[in-house]
Amino acid sequence: ETGVTQSPTHLIKTRGQQVTLRCSSQSGHNTVSWYQQALGQGPQFIFQYYREEENGRGNFPPRFSGLQFPNYSSELNVNALELDDSALYLCASSLKTSGGPDTQYFGPGTRLTVL
Amino acid sequence: QQPVQSPQAVILREGEDAVINCSSSKALYSVHWYRQKHGEAPVFLMILLKGGEQKGHDKISASFNEKKQQSSLYLTASQLSYSGTYFCGTERNRDDKIIFGKGTRLHILP
Repeated sequence: ETGVTQSPTHLIKTRGQQVTLRCSSQSGHNTVSWYQQALGQGPQFIFQYYREEENGRGNFPPRFSGLQFPNYSSELNVNALELDDSALYLCASSLKTSGGPDTQYFGPGTRLTVL
Repeated sequence: QQPVQSPQAVILREGEDAVINCSSSKALYSVHWYRQKHGEAPVFLMILLKGGEQKGHDKISASFNEKKQQSSLYLTASQLSYSGTYFCGTERNRDDKIIFGKGTRLHILP
């Protein structure tokens, strides 16, 4: 158990709708990264939030947006859902410090299905 | 630049050894290794920094060859619980995002 939680576990939406996914980071962590994982693929980086600011973004369109709250929990919002957005969405929390790499701990994920 | 993992899949009998490789065409700062079981989140195994260090715990270890920009994950005397998909993730510098490979599926037979 990593202490990282995500909600909901599963979600079914229709094309064009909007969705909000939530992530609670591990106690003491200040950074949340979001990933999209298609079936049979590795996680693809969407963006990272560090102390409530976006700190890097992958190759995803602007309809993917996020937020980090003062308690370091985070939301991923996706507007105008497309069929290709169907995937497992993972968040990973870490403690970003001045020295050394971040060790990221993943939550259980949210399985999004777009019909 | 997505790292390349090899092999794509491997089937072993319990007790056999396996090596999974992760290669990059760019200079790397770190390599992260994760294992993911079907329907579950990736679980952190270990992280290696440039400098050619080797790490390990229990019967799983890894090395990082900075000259070749390649990391290898070694699983010795494999157990049934080692089954899953192994991902390497690479960073080119301290503030870079982690780019994951496509994974190596490992299946251990009793």
